Amino acid sequence: SQQGEEDPQALSIQEGENATMNCSYKTSINNLQWYRQNSGRGLVHLILIRSNEREKHSGRLRVTLDTSKKSSSLLITASRAADTASYFCAELFSNFNKFYFGSGTKLNVKP
Amino acid sequence: GAVVSQHPSWVICKSGTSVKIECRSLDFQATTMFWYRQFPKQSLMLMATSNEGSKATYEQGVEKDKFLINHASLTLSTLTVTSAHPEDSSFYICSARSGYGETQYFGPGTRLLVL
Repeated sequence: SQQGEEDPQALSIQEGENATMNCSYKTSINNLQWYRQNSGRGLVHLILIRSNEREKHSGRLRVTLDTSKKSSSLLITASRAADTASYFCAELFSNFNKFYFGSGTKLNVKP
Repeated sequence: GAVVSQHPSWVICKSGTSVKIECRSLDFQATTMFWYRQFPKQSLMLMATSNEGSKATYEQGVEKDKFLINHASLTLSTLTVTSAHPEDSSFYICSARSGYGETQYFGPGTRLLVL
């Protein structure tokens, strides 16, 4: 199976709260990337973290990477209703020749 | 930033016909393109990796003769769904990257409905 696991599968929170999503991957990676997808639409690239990095920030987003556990987490702080979407992690293999997506977390932020 | 386009964005066809989907990198040369399929409420499944000028590498379980991929130039890859059936109805997305670049640039996707 291609896909790493993401948890939770679904997350429902109130506006203003923080949302944390976790991703476990399977391979030796070059980097791990997080994407957002609004219902039925294309992907929006959020953030990339390289295998030699442990933490990265971008605005309200914070990503961590633990290569020993093959896991990553995405934290969205002070969530907004507009953050409602599906979030996917994706692993780029070390040989750059495969890019697999995780199973995704469906986030619902209630106004 | 780099832009990847897909055409068509929507296609409805009759069972048994073939459908071609184009993926273009508009302002960079894409040495590698990836084709994905996404069923409703599911994640993206990698179908194949396409390197310019060579045969595509298909993922396990993806039929090469069913999903023909051509990457004849550095800016264009095509996916042809041959003899399409209703179960091929899905959202098809391509991505492209240049050289050994880390960043994947995704197309907006093509929604295929086979009647």
